[in-house]
Amino acid sequence: GDSVTQMEGPVTLSEEAFLTINCTYTATGYPSLFWYVQYPGEGLQLLLKATKADDKGSNKGFEATYRKETTSFHLEKGSVQVSDSAVYFCALRDAGSARQLTFGSGTQLTVLP
Amino acid sequence: DAGVIQSPRHEVTEMGQEVTLRCKPISGHDYLFWYRQTMMRGLELLIYFNNNVPIDDSGMPEDRFSAKMPNASFSTLKIQPSEPRDSAVYFCASSSRGDTQYFGPGTRLTVL
Repeated sequence: GDSVTQMEGPVTLSEEAFLTINCTYTATGYPSLFWYVQYPGEGLQLLLKATKADDKGSNKGFEATYRKETTSFHLEKGSVQVSDSAVYFCALRDAGSARQLTFGSGTQLTVLP
Repeated sequence: DAGVIQSPRHEVTEMGQEVTLRCKPISGHDYLFWYRQTMMRGLELLIYFNNNVPIDDSGMPEDRFSAKMPNASFSTLKIQPSEPRDSAVYFCASSSRGDTQYFGPGTRLTVL
């Protein structure tokens, strides 16, 4: 079945540091890939997505590129801020008729001033 | 536009009691999803609906859990009887044509 493996956290960085959160997936066909962010006490919010190989999703300074050859969708940001502290989830949606998302386990990010 | 609305935001109940969680999806969305989030198991899909019809309920843990969607603007997730191991945050999400899912703020359930 489909699965998503995320880099284990927690991750602690200083403000303005470079961020990478690794995500790899296993799926049949060509899934769509997503990054969601969850701020404390809130629901998940879509951060960015990519629907086909080599697509780059970007939002709020975050980027991720759909790499089919390495089955990866790593999240990056060049300069993190304290306000980026949250839990980040990588997810995929299978290319078939099913519409459910398969989530990774989440990575807690804390950015220190 | 209003996002996905869930109620209550917090629920504390005693073991054996019935619990009903409510969700109002975004207007016009035809898919609705119920998830459970715990530290041990992460985010789990419980059930999802398309056009008010349950499509996949394979994630519903057991017969104590049931979900309904009587119309396009309302869904419930019921637990009867509740148990301490049901304590979790329950999220509802909706989407249009199965595309991007938009999540509600969640209901934090504590069963004593």
